[in-house]
Amino acid sequence: GENVEQHPSTLSVQEGDSAVIKCTYSDSASNYFPWYKQELGKGPQLIIDIRSNVGEKKDQRIAVTLNKTAKHFSLHITETQPEDSAVYFCAASMNRDDKIIFGKGTRLHILP
Amino acid sequence: DVKVTQSSRYLVKRTGEKVFLECVQDMDHENMFWYRQDPGLGLRLIYFSYDVKMKEKGDIPEGYSVSREKKERFSLILESASTNQTSMYLCASTYPGNTEAFFGQGTRLTVV
Repeated sequence: GENVEQHPSTLSVQEGDSAVIKCTYSDSASNYFPWYKQELGKGPQLIIDIRSNVGEKKDQRIAVTLNKTAKHFSLHITETQPEDSAVYFCAASMNRDDKIIFGKGTRLHILP
Repeated sequence: DVKVTQSSRYLVKRTGEKVFLECVQDMDHENMFWYRQDPGLGLRLIYFSYDVKMKEKGDIPEGYSVSREKKERFSLILESASTNQTSMYLCASTYPGNTEAFFGQGTRLTVV
């Protein structure tokens, strides 16, 4: 089955700097790659997603890139702010069964 | 406003008890999922369902079963709770075709 690896497990960046989180997946049939943000005491919420027919997608300060050949995708957050502090999960899914497999998560700390 | 509601935020049960975790969604989603979240292990898929009375095993189904008698409700059952099932349990739902997953707020289960 699909396996998603996520790095780093913890990331601390100065407020205003950029943060990058990287994921790899194992099954070349995966074609949907969402990113979720989980704040304390809440369930994860979708922040951005990308499909396999697209190489990059941007939404304000957040961007995601996908390299299908290498089977990896990354989340980029620019101009980080205190409210970006949270746990971020990458995930992979395929049309075959809609099953969503998550990475282990990255705890992002934004330092003042 | 879309909603996935889990019946309890916190639950304490004794070893050997039968435990029911309930999840209800109001979005008419076909797919529903149960995950458990543990520190350092991310979100691991226990079971998912793509239709009423249909279920598929996820990555860690041992010790769990599920029930989906109505489209809006997906129940996770611990037949005989054990201490290693102490965890945060998250329910999610989606439309078919790799779409955004909506999560409940989670149930923190402690088995003593």
